[in-house]
Amino acid sequence: GQQLNQSPQSMFIQEGEDVSMNCTSSSIFNTWLWYKQDPGEGPVLLIALYKAGELTSNGRLTAQFGITRKDSFLNISASIPSDVGIYFCAGTFYNQGGKLIFGQGTELSVKP
Amino acid sequence: GAVVSQHPSRVICKSGTSVKIECRSLDFQATTMFWYRQFPKQSLMLMATSNEGSKATYEQGVEKDKFLINHASLTLSTLTVTSAHPEDSSFYICSAKLPGRPYEQYFGPGTRLTVT
Repeated sequence: GQQLNQSPQSMFIQEGEDVSMNCTSSSIFNTWLWYKQDPGEGPVLLIALYKAGELTSNGRLTAQFGITRKDSFLNISASIPSDVGIYFCAGTFYNQGGKLIFGQGTELSVKP
Repeated sequence: GAVVSQHPSRVICKSGTSVKIECRSLDFQATTMFWYRQFPKQSLMLMATSNEGSKATYEQGVEKDKFLINHASLTLSTLTVTSAHPEDSSFYICSAKLPGRPYEQYFGPGTRLTVT
């Protein structure tokens, strides 16, 4: 079945630094999504990507849909303490009925 | 827009009892909702797809008689954990698909279930 590999598993950075994380899939997706989850809360949708090569920004966040349709990355610029949390990539394909496959998550810690 | 609520946010129940968790789409109609389970420090595990007016579709390995799902209206899906055991303790999260955006899911805040 389809698998998503997300890396890194965790990151410890200084406030103000830029962050990059990525996901790779064993097969192609037609949609990539990036979510952030705070402790004890449900995931919040950050960015949705629908076309290969698409580059989309949401404030300090930028995500890209890889040209091969098997990967995606998320960048966070000038990190701040409230960026702390777990970031998940998720992907789906047309015939999956909207079911998402999630990556393992990247836990981000930001040191003030 | 795209607000999903869950109730209760936390519940403690005794072994052998049943507990119901509600998932509501507050500002949109959701023909499809999803139920996930999440263990500490792990990713989300899809349990079932809930379709309004029809039976839920369960993922492999999920006991449909233990985790009863009902999607009786376009804004409400319920998950009932029957005959709960301590190993059912977990964080349960629902999500809903937004009409017109079939590949995006919007999540509720989750329900922490503890079975004693």
